[in-house]
Amino acid sequence: EVQLEESGGGLVKPGGSLRLSCTASESTFNTYTFTWVRQAPGKGLEWISSMTSNSQYIKYADSVKGRFTISRDNAKSSLYLQMNSLRVEDTALYYCARDSRRGFDLWGRGTLVTVSA
Amino acid sequence: DIKMTQSPSTLSASVGDRVTITCRASQSVSSWLAWYQQKPGKAPKLLIYQASNLESGVPSRFSGSGSGTEFTLTISSLQPDDFATYYCQQYNSYSPYTFGQGTKLEIK
Repeated sequence: EVQLEESGGGLVKPGGSLRLSCTASESTFNTYTFTWVRQAPGKGLEWISSMTSNSQYIKYADSVKGRFTISRDNAKSSLYLQMNSLRVEDTALYYCARDSRRGFDLWGRGTLVTVSA
Repeated sequence: DIKMTQSPSTLSASVGDRVTITCRASQSVSSWLAWYQQKPGKAPKLLIYQASNLESGVPSRFSGSGSGTEFTLTISSLQPDDFATYYCQQYNSYSPYTFGQGTKLEIK
């Protein structure tokens, strides 16, 4: 069974940085677009960034544009999210998800990011 | 960005009921619309893609319809396992993806 596993979350002060990772247990990682979605405590889902299989096409939500950078390493079946200039409002559970063009058909369990002084 | 608005925000229903959740887009998304189910402490699960296609393994009591700006998710006969929060999402390639705010389906 294909799985996604996120890591790298933690407690960081406002203005700080974190790098999230998502590793896939599948050899077909390099054929899919992958995405990051977050969910603040008790709130709804917020799409934040996607990257196509060949890294050519990237998009970001306005709320993170200029602060977050998505990247991937197909050789390692891994997706990353570099988060800089973190704000209190970035506190959330961050999910990695596979975009199969049927929507997001595979999700990880998420990694928690807490931004607090 | 395309705004997705779901209604109602909360829905109370009983086992066996037929329920419908509506999702409206601020501009056309064609049929690039998905529905997800999320239970507390769990990741979302894809139910419906391209507005009306049932994801593999999802019970047939779930169905989706619509195109353009108005979409619906229908559960034909509610089961105990269906009480959860439901989200619509547009995934038009040329726009940032956006989710609706969610509909919490509660037991009456």
